[in-house]
Amino acid sequence: DIQLTQSPSYLSASVGDRVSITCRASQGVSTYLAWYQQSPGKAPKLLIFAASSLQSGVPSRFSGSGSGTEFTLTISSLQPEDFATYYCLQIDTYPFTFGPGTTVDFK
Amino acid sequence: EVKMVESGGGLVKPGGSLRLSCAASGFTLSTYIVNWVRQAPGKGPEWVASISARSDYIHYLDSVEGRFTVSRDNAKNSFFLQMDSLRAEDTAVYYCARVGFQGGDAFDVWGQGTMVTVSS
Repeated sequence: DIQLTQSPSYLSASVGDRVSITCRASQGVSTYLAWYQQSPGKAPKLLIFAASSLQSGVPSRFSGSGSGTEFTLTISSLQPEDFATYYCLQIDTYPFTFGPGTTVDFK
Repeated sequence: EVKMVESGGGLVKPGGSLRLSCAASGFTLSTYIVNWVRQAPGKGPEWVASISARSDYIHYLDSVEGRFTVSRDNAKNSFFLQMDSLRAEDTAVYYCARVGFQGGDAFDVWGQGTMVTVSS
């Protein structure tokens, strides 16, 4: 199975900060990597698909990059509604796997 | 409005069975690959099963293979997860999600989730 790791696991930041989250895969997944945002009690929300493409309706402050085994999600200017947990998901190979998550909290 | 709605969750004893349903509205489910994803309390999401549009490709997480069965009824715009021989570790919120056509095979539409609790 493809293992995904995320760093950091916890991130303390302020409104307006630029933050980046890294997702590393145990083997190459090409660009079959998506990023999700999840708030408590809610379903995950798709932010980025195909590693770097912005999902329709998602603010442009979110961006993704990478291919193969290393990927990054960047929020250019953190807004109050962005304090949540972020997960990467590889959909290259079954079983599909999620990263362990990165929680972005108020500093 | 494009929507997916799960139902069928509840409390069941170890070894028992439940059947989850996912009803789609606002789009034709028959053209989409669909998935079940679960999330145990305080944990991250975990993919459980996928079924192709015509049910010709089905995949399961190893730990549910042989106990869970995914199926679909395209005429009713719905798909299902039959869960047998349930274990405590199957306790989770179960979400249905479709693979969108935007590219990269990402899951773009999710239901709100249904809670399954396996406990004596």
